[in-house]
Amino acid sequence: QSALTQPASVSGSPGQSITISCTGTSSNVGNYNLVSWYQQHPGKAPKLVIYGVSKRPSGVSSRFSGSKSGNTASLTISGLQAEDEADYYCCSSAEITTWVFGGGTKLTVL
Amino acid sequence: VQLVESGGGLVQPGGSLRLSCAASGFTFSTYWMHWVRQAPGKGLVWVSNSDGSSTNYADSVKGRFTISRDNVKNTLSLQMNSLRAEDTAVYFCARAAMGGYDGLDVWGQGTTVAVSS
Repeated sequence: QSALTQPASVSGSPGQSITISCTGTSSNVGNYNLVSWYQQHPGKAPKLVIYGVSKRPSGVSSRFSGSKSGNTASLTISGLQAEDEADYYCCSSAEITTWVFGGGTKLTVL
Repeated sequence: VQLVESGGGLVQPGGSLRLSCAASGFTFSTYWMHWVRQAPGKGLVWVSNSDGSSTNYADSVKGRFTISRDNVKNTLSLQMNSLRAEDTAVYFCARAAMGGYDGLDVWGQGTTVAVSS
């Protein structure tokens, strides 16, 4: 049950695009399209922003997009806004019996 | 659609605590439900899940924690025994999207557990 690997922090200026990576293995990220991403503001509950690698839940801005290549999934936020500043977590549900989160990435909007 | 956790508190090492999560606004019995925790200043960690007929646990809590659910009262519970300092965290109850695999689409506000002497 090793955690997925994410960069500790990323930053970008308003209007720019940023990408957060999430590296797993062929046992989770690589062979299954079952990666989700969560946004968490300080003191708040996480919010689902991407599921199934690249699908957006209803109500989530189209500025959020997801992709995958090999064992690495990615979350891209385009047109960065101040409200996007938060912690972001990836998660693999490749095995219903064992879910695993990434360590989290702190996004700073400069 | 709402999840409301309760039952957190301060407990001594080796002690027990039972967390509850009250669900409303959806057909509780048809969804996988999860517990996820977050230690102070740390990331999210998956703890356990259940669909009512099967249960699963992270290695770190296996044998100490027990997840259960009451599909009549629409309540999810987590019985935590033999608590350790490293179990100190905010515990979130979360619903898995229909089908069970497509992410956790509804979260509670969390309940805080502190294990200390």
